This record gives sequence, structure tokens and C-alpha cells, in this order.
Amino acid sequence: GENVEQHPSTLSVQEGDSAVIKCTYSDSASNYFPWYKQELGKRPQLIIDIRSNVGEKKDQRIAVTLNKTAKHFSLHITETQPEDSAVYFCAAGGDSSYKLIFGSGTRLLVRP
Amino acid sequence: GAGVSQSPRYKVAKRGQDVALRCDPISGHVSLFWYQQALGQGPEFLTYFQNEAQLDKSGLPSDRFFAERPEGSVSTLKIQRTQQEDSAVYLCASSWRDRGYEQYFGPGTRLTVT
Repeated sequence: GENVEQHPSTLSVQEGDSAVIKCTYSDSASNYFPWYKQELGKRPQLIIDIRSNVGEKKDQRIAVTLNKTAKHFSLHITETQPEDSAVYFCAAGGDSSYKLIFGSGTRLLVRP
Repeated sequence: GAGVSQSPRYKVAKRGQDVALRCDPISGHVSLFWYQQALGQGPEFLTYFQNEAQLDKSGLPSDRFFAERPEGSVSTLKIQRTQQEDSAVYLCASSWRDRGYEQYFGPGTRLTVT
């Protein structure tokens, strides 16, 4: 069935360094790939998304890249700050489905 | 504007009790989704409404789970005869788009079945 794999499960970086989280998806019909940030006890927040007709999208310190041939996409956070510490989820969906399929999450810790 | 709201935020139920969880989507949003999030995991799809029509309920784990959105706005997820394995956070999301695009989540209801 449909599946999204996410790596790493935990990531610890020094403040100011970059962080990269990677996801692969199985459904070749997927064409929408959002990323959510979830702080402890809070709602998942949509931070960036990408459609399959583009290969990269950037919003300030956050960028997402998509390789549709390889069926993987990545989140890049530059100049990390302690407030970036949270769990990040990737997901896949789009025209082929009503739902989003989520990865298992990456716990990011930014050390001051 | 106001985001997605859910109530109650926390619910403790004894095994065998029925519970009802409420979701108020963002005003005007056509699509409404329910997800279940187990501790340390990503959200898992339960069901989807487009206006008042339930178009996909493939993720509901058993016939004890029932969802409705009778007027195309507020939705209720009902769980009958709760079991311990139902303990989780239940998240509601809404979108102005149809299908799975641009979903905005509520804060969730944490259900604990004792």
C-alpha cells in the first residue's frame, strides 16, 4: 500500500548549522508534498509544501527539494535556531487520493 | 482568522464507554479530515468529508468508529464501546481545497481509555 518513509528519526545540530530531513514515497501518483512542524502538545503546522511540477521551493531559511523520478523529497533548514526544535513530518498526497500519508517524524534538536 | 478548533482537548473514558469528539473547521473550508495520532507517530488518516458528504472512510479502524458532518461545517467523530487501543490524539484538519491539499490542523483531542 501507500507508504512514506522518513529519515532520520532524530537529528541534533548546533545552532547555526543546517539540518536535512529526507522522505521517500511509494505511490507514483502522488503530486503534493507538504511538511509539518509539531511542537510538544501542539497542532501540526504546515510550514512549506511543493507540487510535483517544480523541483525546489524556498521560503526564507526553509527549502524543499523533490526528485520525482527517485520518489524522494527533502526538507532543508539553514541557520538553525533553538526555536526550530520540534518534530517534523513529511507527507504525500494529491489528486490520486483524498488523504495525506505521513512519515513517522523526525525529532530535531537545535543545541544553543 | 480563527483556526480549526476541537473539543474537548482531553477526554478520559472508561473502557466500554461511548465518546464524541467535535471539530469546528475554518469557516468556508470545503474539506474536513480526521486523523489518529499515536504517541511518537505521524497522523494516520481516518475519514474525509467534502461538505456534508463522507467520501472516504477507509481509515476507520472498526465499525465502532463513526463520523458525521450533517450541515457541511461542524463534524463529530464518535467512538462506541471504547477500547484501550483507541487511546490516541484525534486530529481534525480542514482545507478550502478538495482532496488532500493544504490541510490545516486543529489542536487535537487526547483520548485516554482506562
